[in-house]
Amino acid sequence: RKEVEQDPGPFNVPEGATVAFNCTYSNSASQSFFWYRQDCRKEPKLLMSVYSSGNEDGRFTAQLNRASQYISLLIRDSKLSDSATYLCAVDSSYKLIFGSGTRLLVRP
Amino acid sequence: NAGVTQTPKFQVLKTGQSMTLQCAQDMNHEYMSWYRQDPGMGLRLIHYSVGAGITDQGEVPNGYNVSRSTTEDFPLRLLSAAPSQTSVYFCASSARTDQPQHFGDGTRLSIL
Repeated sequence: RKEVEQDPGPFNVPEGATVAFNCTYSNSASQSFFWYRQDCRKEPKLLMSVYSSGNEDGRFTAQLNRASQYISLLIRDSKLSDSATYLCAVDSSYKLIFGSGTRLLVRP
Repeated sequence: NAGVTQTPKFQVLKTGQSMTLQCAQDMNHEYMSWYRQDPGMGLRLIHYSVGAGITDQGEVPNGYNVSRSTTEDFPLRLLSAAPSQTSVYFCASSARTDQPQHFGDGTRLSIL
C-alpha cells in the first residue's frame, strides 16, 4: 500500500460546481501536509498548506482529519482555470511523499 | 530570482549511457530532493538530503546515485541508463520538510 493515496479521477464538473478531493496517508506521525497544483506536467506549485485547524484561501478550503488520517481540498465555484491535477503531499519521517494526483476538468 | 535551477531541460540517452542531472538552489535551503514523474504515478521520491554531506534513499532509489557536497547543489547520477528510467525528473528544495517545496522546471529524459 502506498504511503499517500489519492483518487486519480478525473473529476469532470461544470463551471460553478463545488468539488472535493481526499487524500489518505498511512504514517500517523506525519505533521505537515500540503496541496499542490500541477498543469500539463509542468512543475508542481504550492496551492496551500494544511493546518490542523483547517484553513481557507478564497474558494479553496483544506482540512485535516488526524483520526481517519486524511486531508481534503474543497473547491467552491469552480472556474475553467481550475482544470489541473491536484497533488497532496505528506511529511513522513523527514521525507515529503506525494500522492499520485487527482485530475480535475472543469467544463463550460 | 533563480530559485531552483535544473539542467538540462531535455536529454536523450542510449541504454547503458551514464549522465548527471544537475540541480542548484540559491535559497540556502537545507532540504533537497529528487522526484520522478511517470504518467498516472504522481511524484515518486528517488533520493533526498537534509543537509550537506547527508543523503538518503526515497521510494525508488535503484539505478540512481546522489551526493551533497555543498548546500547549493544536489546532482542526480544515472549510472547505466535503462528505458525504464524514461521520465520527467523534478528537483525540489525547502528550508525543512515541514515547509513548502520549491520545484525546478524539470528535466525530460528519454532513454532509447
